[in-house]
Amino acid sequence: TQLLEQSPQFLSIQEGENLTVYCNSSSVFSSLQWYRQEPGEGPVLLVTVVTGGEVKKLKRLTFQFGDARKDSSLHITAAQPGDTGLYLCAVGRKVGNEKLTFGTGTRLTIIP
Amino acid sequence: NAGVTQTPKFQVLKTGQSMTLQCAQDMNHEYMSWYRQDPGMGLRLIHYSVGAGITDQGEVPNGYNVSRSTTEDFPLRLLSAAPSQTSVYFCASRSRPGGVTNEKLFFGSGTQLSVL
Repeated sequence: TQLLEQSPQFLSIQEGENLTVYCNSSSVFSSLQWYRQEPGEGPVLLVTVVTGGEVKKLKRLTFQFGDARKDSSLHITAAQPGDTGLYLCAVGRKVGNEKLTFGTGTRLTIIP
Repeated sequence: NAGVTQTPKFQVLKTGQSMTLQCAQDMNHEYMSWYRQDPGMGLRLIHYSVGAGITDQGEVPNGYNVSRSTTEDFPLRLLSAAPSQTSVYFCASRSRPGGVTNEKLFFGSGTQLSVL
């Protein structure tokens, strides 16, 4: 059983469209992170959300932490080919968040 | 701006061979960790360290050993490679173990390992 379930697993859309991907769990977390990974590289942190209901924006990307701090969403407006990549959510476990656990990811392809 | 450096980039082993994946960071980070990434499985934590001389197991530690003799280096050892260890391995570090709010985890560019 995965601690973090990400959906959809794959998403392919046309440039200029909007999209939302999700990260869900039955557990409550103190914080949640989103990373993006490009082929041949390691993941790169996009954002950390901490407060239930929190919304953070990073240019065309909008991140939301669920009110109960069990889930999160990532919305991309007017997707561009540069948004292509694997999007991963991650949460910390153990006392000091020593164990960072990742979801299985959403592989996003933006078609020019 | 080296960050986290992993070597080698690619490696092919025969079943039963041993090898060490190298990881070094130049950011004076206390926390370092190793993940493996497999299709459909995401990133899974193998081992981690919260400081020199301190290591602990992650989710999938079997078949792997680690040590942390210095702040900078965190090598991952495969004592007897098995085909199930074919994967992409990532080393990552951050300045502190974590706290209430996770700090940014910096990743290396990965080592692609094939065990035949």
